Amino acid sequence: EAGVAQSPRYKIIEKRQSVAFWCNPISGHATLYWYQQILGQGPKLLIQFQNNGVVDDSQLPKDRFSAERLKGVDSTLKIQPAKLEDSAVYLCASSPRQGEETQYFGPGTRLLVL
Amino acid sequence: AQSVTQLGSHVSVSEGALVLLRCNYSSSVPPYLFWYVQYPNQGLQLLLKYTTGATLVKGINGFEAEFKKSETSFHLTKPSAHMSDAAEYFCAVSLYKAAGNKLTFGGGTRVLVKP
Repeated sequence: EAGVAQSPRYKIIEKRQSVAFWCNPISGHATLYWYQQILGQGPKLLIQFQNNGVVDDSQLPKDRFSAERLKGVDSTLKIQPAKLEDSAVYLCASSPRQGEETQYFGPGTRLLVL
Repeated sequence: AQSVTQLGSHVSVSEGALVLLRCNYSSSVPPYLFWYVQYPNQGLQLLLKYTTGATLVKGINGFEAEFKKSETSFHLTKPSAHMSDAAEYFCAVSLYKAAGNKLTFGGGTRVLVKP
């Protein structure tokens, strides 16, 4: 069974530029999560989808971050415009259904904002 | 709201020695508890989890953890460290009955294994 796929793996941009990350969850997984992991900290949930609907986006900085999961499968997270403090690893995770306690993580996208 | 505290951001152990990583949590309702491991430039991999039932939980790679409700702790142990255990370890809590099963992570403990 293929795991959670993310691309790109690394991205370097200048502040005020825009960037997008892509995630393809494990096949059949209904729930998808995006986490932000700043260096030296644990991951923090940004947004959670159940199929193509948003369950929780309370910690998503909506003035600059957006995310979508239009067909209930893969998802895109966008930052526009980027700030220096957005430098982090962006992790995507999925689980079979809402309420399933185990989340399966992708390798992450490492973003550096200069 | 739930929170997780991991005592010690760095732990150094000798190969063959006991590994002990401490995790304390706060939660208004009985939580689900997890330990994840993260190797360099990789995502998080589940080591073990506690949901209900037996409080001593065994995971992969020889790790185990014990849920102690009275101490609000979920410490991770391994009797004998191996070089391959060098990684960062994260304790996490979720509230199963809450919508979304959101994971809240501790700050992580980086383990260094000395030969």
